[in-house]
Amino acid sequence: AQSVSQHNHHVILSEAASLELGCNYSYGGTVNLFWYVQYPGQHLQLLLKYFSGDPLVKGIKGFEAEFIKSKFSFNLRKPSVQWSDTAEYFCAVSNFGNEKLTFGTGTRLTIIP
Amino acid sequence: GAVVSQHPSRVICKSGTSVKIECRSLDFQATTMFWYRQFPKKSLMLMATSNEGSKATYEQGVEKDKFLINHASLTLSTLTVTSAHPEDSSFYICSARDSGYHEQYFGPGTRLTVT
Repeated sequence: AQSVSQHNHHVILSEAASLELGCNYSYGGTVNLFWYVQYPGQHLQLLLKYFSGDPLVKGIKGFEAEFIKSKFSFNLRKPSVQWSDTAEYFCAVSNFGNEKLTFGTGTRLTIIP
Repeated sequence: GAVVSQHPSRVICKSGTSVKIECRSLDFQATTMFWYRQFPKKSLMLMATSNEGSKATYEQGVEKDKFLINHASLTLSTLTVTSAHPEDSSFYICSARDSGYHEQYFGPGTRLTVT
């Protein structure tokens, strides 16, 4: 069964700092990869997704993620964070041909003004 | 963008009663909807996959007779927690997949508290 690991449980950064959140998955076959964000009091929103092609994926709000197949990783990055990026971030994976998502445990990001 | 709503957003019920949660796709048709449960400080756990016009597919360990799912139309799925107990208290989230796309759109969640 697929499993997803997010090793950073809580990250605290100052505004303008660079961000990288780790995500690793276990299944070695073809996968679809997602990052979702949950702002305080709001529902999950899709930040970006990878299905195929260029392993460097750009999403909304300046976020990007890089799929490294050899490392089973899909880390999320942003060069300069803002206070409004304070939220919970979830990595999710689905196996190719299977629409079920497996979520990581989430990373709580706190940006200090 | 695609919008998914859930109703109610928050419900408190007594032990032994049943609670129905609705999930609606407001501006698209969803042949498939998913129900998740989120525990405090934990990830979303998929409970079941709901397909319009057919029986839901439950994940291992999820009691289908306790968590009744109905997906009667392309825009509505319901989750009924039957004979609720305090351990059923949780945050329940639905998502809907736009037909033909791989992306799931999530509802705002329903906080269930069983007293």
